[in-house]
Amino acid sequence: SQKIEQNSEALNIQEGKTATLTCNYTNYSPAYLQWYRQDPGRGPVFLLLIRENEKEKRKERLKVTFDTTLKQSLFHITASQPADSATYLCALVNQAGTALIFGKGTTLSVSS
Amino acid sequence: EAGVAQSPRYKIIEKRQSVAFWCNPISGHATLYWYQQILGQGPKLLIQFQNNGVVDDSQLPKDRFSAERLKGVDSTLKIQPAKLEDSAVYLCASSFDSNSPLHFGNGTRLTVT
Repeated sequence: SQKIEQNSEALNIQEGKTATLTCNYTNYSPAYLQWYRQDPGRGPVFLLLIRENEKEKRKERLKVTFDTTLKQSLFHITASQPADSATYLCALVNQAGTALIFGKGTTLSVSS
Repeated sequence: EAGVAQSPRYKIIEKRQSVAFWCNPISGHATLYWYQQILGQGPKLLIQFQNNGVVDDSQLPKDRFSAERLKGVDSTLKIQPAKLEDSAVYLCASSFDSNSPLHFGNGTRLTVT
């Protein structure tokens, strides 16, 4: 069955540094991968989508890479700010191509 | 555009009682999802609707959970009878189609005592 692993449950970094979050998956090849942000008491909010034929996607201070050989996506936040503190969820479309399967998330804390 | 609306925001019930959650998706979104998120976990898909038809309900505990999407717009998720392990946040999401990003509501936090 499909499996998604977000390696770190928590990541603590200093303001201004680059945060790098990892998402690994096994047992299948998704057509695309998405990243969401979730704040406490709120639903997840979509950030970026990257397709299997794209190596990299950028949006403002965010960058996502997708390595289908390693079965891994990296999510980078450059020049991190305390406001970036949240839980970041990786999500893959399931093998049927019908719905998203989410990882457990990585909680990022950016200290000033 | 208005976001996904969910109610109630919080619900506390005793085990073996029943409970219902309501979701109003973004206008024009054909696909609607119910996810269960247990504390410290990622959202887990319970059921997916395309218009008013079920696409995937493979992880819905059908002995106690039911969901419907009448007229292809609003949806309700019901649990009867509730168990302690049903304590979680129930998230509703909608998307334009099954390949589009999801828009989530803020969820209903259910506590079963």
